[in-house]
Amino acid sequence: DAGVIQSPRHEVTEMGQEVTLRCKPISGHDYLFWYRQTMMRGLELLIYFNNNVPIDDSGMPEDRFSAKMPNASFSTLKIQPSEPRDSAVYFCASSLGSGGGGDTQYFGPGTRLTVL
Amino acid sequence: SQKIEQNSEALNIQEGKTATLTCNYTNYSPAYLQWYRQDPGRGPVFLLLIRENEKEKRKERLKVTFDTTLKQSLFHITASQPADSATYLCALEGYGNNRLAFGKGNQVVVIP
Repeated sequence: DAGVIQSPRHEVTEMGQEVTLRCKPISGHDYLFWYRQTMMRGLELLIYFNNNVPIDDSGMPEDRFSAKMPNASFSTLKIQPSEPRDSAVYFCASSLGSGGGGDTQYFGPGTRLTVL
Repeated sequence: SQKIEQNSEALNIQEGKTATLTCNYTNYSPAYLQWYRQDPGRGPVFLLLIRENEKEKRKERLKVTFDTTLKQSLFHITASQPADSATYLCALEGYGNNRLAFGKGNQVVVIP
């Protein structure tokens, strides 16, 4: 398997623009996670899905952020409108979901977002 | 509030020595604790998992201990090598929710 795939790898945009980040999880994985990483706050969980259904979005900073998972092989994280403070590295991760917990999460390479 | 604390200062260590990192947590009762490695410009990579009822886990040159009384995990890299230079993150998982809460990570620099 190719691992978790994210696109784009880098995104530079201007304040107020819409940004869409994309993720393809590992085939057969039931869980998909979106994280944001900054120096100040570290790696923060934004939202996660189980079998395409959002389970917990309490980490989504505000209504400007939204995430979807229309099928088992694709998810998007959208920021509209974007602001400079959204600049960060956004990671997608997936896990098998064995049911007993303790699953390894496999991370994508991340999308480095810069909002000017 | 829940906190996961790792040393923010980089650990500089001579090649061949043992590197020891600490992960402390408060207001948390994890069922599992995991350690990940992150290299610059890359996503974290899983290293080891330890369960709440386990005291110690080993994998090659890596050793993790877990003390639920002290609310602390120690991560050891024995016979460190320059290739071990990276940032190491601890992550806690509660019961039945499959979500991880990460510490900010601790950088290790192994000096040849």
